[in-house]
Amino acid sequence: KAGVTQTPRYLIKTRGQQVTLSCSPISGHRSVSWYQQTPGQGLQFLFEYFSETQRNKGNFPGRFSGRQFSNSRSEMNVSTLELGDSALYLCASSVDPGAYGYTFGSGTRLTVV
Amino acid sequence: DQQVKQNSPSLSVQEGRISILNCDYTNSMFDYFLWYKKYPAEGPTFLISISSIKDKNEDGRFTVFLNKSAKHLSLHIVPSQPGDSAVYFCAARTGNQFYFGTGTSLTVIP
Repeated sequence: KAGVTQTPRYLIKTRGQQVTLSCSPISGHRSVSWYQQTPGQGLQFLFEYFSETQRNKGNFPGRFSGRQFSNSRSEMNVSTLELGDSALYLCASSVDPGAYGYTFGSGTRLTVV
Repeated sequence: DQQVKQNSPSLSVQEGRISILNCDYTNSMFDYFLWYKKYPAEGPTFLISISSIKDKNEDGRFTVFLNKSAKHLSLHIVPSQPGDSAVYFCAARTGNQFYFGTGTSLTVIP
């Protein structure tokens, strides 16, 4: 079966712009979570969605937001981009929130210049 | 505040020898621990996990040890193979939230 699909794979934006990233989970997975990976901080949890509702949110500013659609696909939006937002953004899906062994996508590499 | 720490950014091991990756945590409420493996340009893949009620879990060449009193987790790979070269993340769970370490880059030298 298809894995977790994230689009686009690479993105270059300028400071102040906004960006939307997309994640399609594995078929049948209803939980989608987002992570930011930077060299120094490792994987930082952004938020988790289940049945179109945000279940958990990490410690990120309000510029970071997300949503989940009825087909479980999820989008993440970052407004007013800053240089420090440059990172690999990973999406993971699981059957239910907190389920063990999330399946990760390959990520979207965002570069803010 | 980094609740899960991997203090060794990198590790090099000869093929056939044992690789030991370490992870320390601070939150005693963590009830489940996982290890993920990540190749460049790919997302992390689940490797092995352990519940806080156990102190060891083994799966083939991979064994995870949990020392709750020391709040320490380790992953042993025996024997190490060149294909094991990757970044390894440990993660811990409390409630529905996961916390990840910063990763250890393992290089297995042929």
